[in-house]
This record gives sequence, C-alpha cells and structure tokens, in this order.
Amino acid sequence: KNQVEQSPQSLIILEGKNCTLQCNYTVSPFSNLRWYKQDTGRGPVSLTIMTFSENTKSNGRYTATLDADTKQSSLHITASQLSDSASYICVVSEGSGAGSYQLTFGKGTKLSVIP
Amino acid sequence: GAVVSQHPSRVICKSGTSVKIECRSLDFQATTMFWYRQFPKKSLMLMATSNEGSKATYEQGVEKDKFLINHASLTLSTLTVTSAHPEDSSFYICSARNDRDYGYTFGSGTRLTVV
Repeated sequence: KNQVEQSPQSLIILEGKNCTLQCNYTVSPFSNLRWYKQDTGRGPVSLTIMTFSENTKSNGRYTATLDADTKQSSLHITASQLSDSASYICVVSEGSGAGSYQLTFGKGTKLSVIP
Repeated sequence: GAVVSQHPSRVICKSGTSVKIECRSLDFQATTMFWYRQFPKKSLMLMATSNEGSKATYEQGVEKDKFLINHASLTLSTLTVTSAHPEDSSFYICSARNDRDYGYTFGSGTRLTVV
C-alpha cells in the first residue's frame, strides 16, 4: 500500500530560525514528489516539485531535497517568518510519464512560527 | 502560474437543500479534476476523480448520488452536495491537472456548513 509519512506532526520555532520537515514514502512506481503549504481554511499551494532525477530544488527560503534511493524528502525553511505558520504537506505521485496522476498525501506537519 | 478558482469560498445552507461548488481552471485545460474533503486537522481525503465528458470515479465509501459531479468542459467541474445534512459540513477542495504539463493546482477550498 502506498504511504507517505511526515514528521514531525507539529513544530514550534522562533521567528528567524531555520527548520527541516521530513517526508518518507513507499509509493511505487514513483513519479514525482511535491511539497505544498496550506494555510488554515485555504487550499494547498505548491512550493516545489521534484522528479526522480532531481535531488534538490529551491523556492525562495524553501529548499526541498529528495533521495530516491532511500525514498526520503525534506523541506528546509530558512530564516522563518510568522507567515510561514501553516501546514506543510508532502504529496507523492504514482505512475510513470504522462499517465501518472494517483496522488498519495502525507498528513502534514503543522508549523507554528512565534515571535 | 496556473490558477484554479473555486466558488463559493463559504456557504451555509439548511438541511435538505443542495449546494453546488464550482472548480474552474482559469488559464489551462484540465481533462481531469479531483474533489477532496478535509476534516479539521486532517489530511485531504480524495472523494472522486472528475473526467471531462465521462462519469466521475468515486472513491470507496463516497456516495455518488449524494455528491454529484459534473465535468462539462475542459475548464469546469462542479460538485453538488444533494440533500445536505449537518454531517456533510466540511472543507471541500478541488484540484485540476494541467493537460499540458500534468501539474496539479488546488482551488482555495469551500467551507460548507449545513444547519
């Protein structure tokens, strides 16, 4: 069964600090991995997407890594801001090439950035 | 970037009435769209896959007569919650898969409250 496990479940950090969120998956065949940010009461917004051949991708203060061998990904947030407070969801897409669309969602990490 | 418009963002209805939620891809075509339900502090749960020009595919346990899906064009899918009951109160989110690059974009969600 395809699974995506995220850790920690929740995290509280001081404004300005860095943090790293983890995502382990067992989805096969693997197509791509996405990180989304979801503010409370809003839909998820894409941060990064990585395919099998990519091992790092940045989007501003967000840097995602992917180790396809160990089936692990991380999302690193640098110099956190209060607006970073949200749930961060790891989503893995199953399949290959054009036909892939089966998504498996992690349960998310709830990040709280405090002053 | 790809934008998906979801309306309404909030709706309150009486028990027994029906509510229609629209999901529209604004700048890309989407043969396939998805409808999710999200309970507080929980991950997104796929309800159904909407395919333009054909019947939707429902996940196990989701009543197709309760949640009517229509995908009449390449840019619009609708979810109608029929004969709504308080237990249908939830956060509903759609996503659209871009026909060109297979990227997924989520709508901003609809908060449904049935009283």
